[in-house]
Amino acid sequence: DSGVTQTPKHLITATGQRVTLRCSPRSGDLSVYWYQQSLDQGLQFLIQYYNGEERAKGNILERFSAQQFPDLHSELNLSSLELGDSALYFCASSVEGRANTEAFFGQGTRLTVV
Amino acid sequence: AQSVTQLDSQVPVFEEAPVELRCNYSSSVSVYLFWYVQYPNQGLQLLLKYLSGSTLVKGINGFEAEFNKSQTSFHLRKPSVHISDTAEYFCAVSGDSSYKLIFGSGTRLLVRP
Repeated sequence: DSGVTQTPKHLITATGQRVTLRCSPRSGDLSVYWYQQSLDQGLQFLIQYYNGEERAKGNILERFSAQQFPDLHSELNLSSLELGDSALYFCASSVEGRANTEAFFGQGTRLTVV
Repeated sequence: AQSVTQLDSQVPVFEEAPVELRCNYSSSVSVYLFWYVQYPNQGLQLLLKYLSGSTLVKGINGFEAEFNKSQTSFHLRKPSVHISDTAEYFCAVSGDSSYKLIFGSGTRLLVRP
């Protein structure tokens, strides 16, 4: 158990809908990262937050948004869902947001868009 | 820009045989290198990491990797694999000011009895 909690574990929704994925980081970790894992794109970095502020942005679509709350949990919002958004979404956390700091991954949320 | 290439999509091997999973990277800046393992229906778990210092890095579960700057490689090795090592292995690189991991496409290690 990495200490990173993601909910829900599975999510099935229809095209055009909006969903929210939730992540609780390890106790004491200030930085949260979101990754998308799909068969065709592999593991892609989406976005990073550090202590409530956006730190880095990757290949995140405009239909997607995220935030980190004062209690440090994070939410990833996906809207106007398309079939191609079906993927495994991982959250990771680390104490700091630096490149040489180990990040711990949650078990992921599997999103299926039908 | 940084990138990672994992040359083998799948590596079949018999139990107790040695294995090497290959990883090459490209980066214009100093890098930090990582190997993660993903078991079925699980998240990613860190096997080992190279930050600086000794180029031979030992990790969990008997795995080790060697950083070779001249060949821009970070190959993962294990002298004797077990059935339980069957999983997907990802090589990753970072080096920006943020912890943005760039992952390779993964190598599926299939250990046969």
